[in-house]
Amino acid sequence: AQSVTQLGSHVSVSEGALVLLRCNYSSSVPPYLFWYVQYPNQGLQLLLKYTSAATLVKGINGFEAEFKKSETSFHLTKPSAHMSDAAEYFCAVSDPQGGSEKLVFGKGTKLTVNP
Amino acid sequence: KAGVTQTPRYLIKTRGQQVTLSCSPISGHRSVSWYQQTPGQGLQFLFEYFSETQRNKGNFPGRFSGRQFSNSRSEMNVSTLELGDSALYLCASSRDRGHIETQYFGPGTRLLVL
Repeated sequence: AQSVTQLGSHVSVSEGALVLLRCNYSSSVPPYLFWYVQYPNQGLQLLLKYTSAATLVKGINGFEAEFKKSETSFHLTKPSAHMSDAAEYFCAVSDPQGGSEKLVFGKGTKLTVNP
Repeated sequence: KAGVTQTPRYLIKTRGQQVTLSCSPISGHRSVSWYQQTPGQGLQFLFEYFSETQRNKGNFPGRFSGRQFSNSRSEMNVSTLELGDSALYLCASSRDRGHIETQYFGPGTRLLVL
């Protein structure tokens, strides 16, 4: 079975500082990996996705993530935090070989950006 | 093109009632999945529909059901509501089954059970 672990349910950074949100996955097959962002009272917005092409994936709003198979990680980074980045972030994994649309999500990391 | 739409956006029901939520996928998308989001359990997969057939189901009781119509629109139904069913219900659509990389989420329906 697949699973996702997001280290740190809350992360706080200063505006302009590096953002690093950690995600480790467990999967018996090469996975697809996703990062989503959720603003209060809204749905999930896709930030970026890894689908077995380049291991360094660039997404929207200046975010990027690197797939590291040896570490089973897919950490999300942004060089310089902006106040508008304050939101909850979810990492998710899917099994592309199974043909299913099912995503398994981590518990989420709430990002606070301090002025 | 328009994104995934969900109606209603907010709903208040009482215990024992039933509720039906609707999801219209992105035009051309044929696969629809549903998720439940609660503070305690996080985001959990409910079920997936493709070509009017349920293809996959999460670990939820039989009170949770759904269907998909020929135009790919989907509904989910929860019967005999319990307080614990209070949640944000998210719908996602993707172009075809097995193309989860094309999946996008709707804004969700927030259900409150009193």
